[in-house]
Amino acid sequence: EDKVVQSPLSLVVHEGDTVTLNCSYEVTNFRSLLWYKQEKKAPTFLFMLTSSGIEKKSGRLSSILDKKELFSILNITATQTGDSAVYLCAFNAGNNRKLIWGLGTSLAVNP
Amino acid sequence: DTEVTQTPKHLVMGMTNKKSLKCEQHMGHRAMYWYKQKAKKPPELMFVYSYEKLSINESVPSRFSPECPNSSLLNLHLHALQPEDSALYLCASSQVSAGIPRDTQYFGPGTRLTVL
Repeated sequence: EDKVVQSPLSLVVHEGDTVTLNCSYEVTNFRSLLWYKQEKKAPTFLFMLTSSGIEKKSGRLSSILDKKELFSILNITATQTGDSAVYLCAFNAGNNRKLIWGLGTSLAVNP
Repeated sequence: DTEVTQTPKHLVMGMTNKKSLKCEQHMGHRAMYWYKQKAKKPPELMFVYSYEKLSINESVPSRFSPECPNSSLLNLHLHALQPEDSALYLCASSQVSAGIPRDTQYFGPGTRLTVL
């Protein structure tokens, strides 16, 4: 059965810290891995990764995929209180494009 | 414009009521989705429409009835719901390529539903 495991489940840091969020997966037909940020409401799209070893970057956020070891990491540098959210990892497998979601990492950034 | 809008933002209904949730996008996406999300859980797929046709129904109870009147609109009709159906209902959309929905889905802000 396809599954996604995120770690840690929750994390508390201080502003300015760097955090690394992990997402490992077991899939039978990998197509892509997506990262979303969810605050109070809608998940907001961050990155989509399909190729191994290529870093995607947007400001202080970056992500990389390792298809051999079946994991992805999301890095946030110089964290701010506005980074406090649940970060969800999902992968897309097969032709129906159904997303398989992890449980998320709840990040709290304290001032 | 990467916005998906949903109305209403909040809805409280009794178990005998009939109500509808609405979702709209103007990004030209031809795949649209309904998800249900309970607290501290990831979104749970309910339905997928592709080119206004229902392509996936994740064994959702018939008290939830989706409708896609055109390529920009998606409705979810609710009837005889149970208190355990209280959740955040999210709509999403994505592009379609070669007849298959693209991977990246864009979400609306959701409707917070409470069933009394």
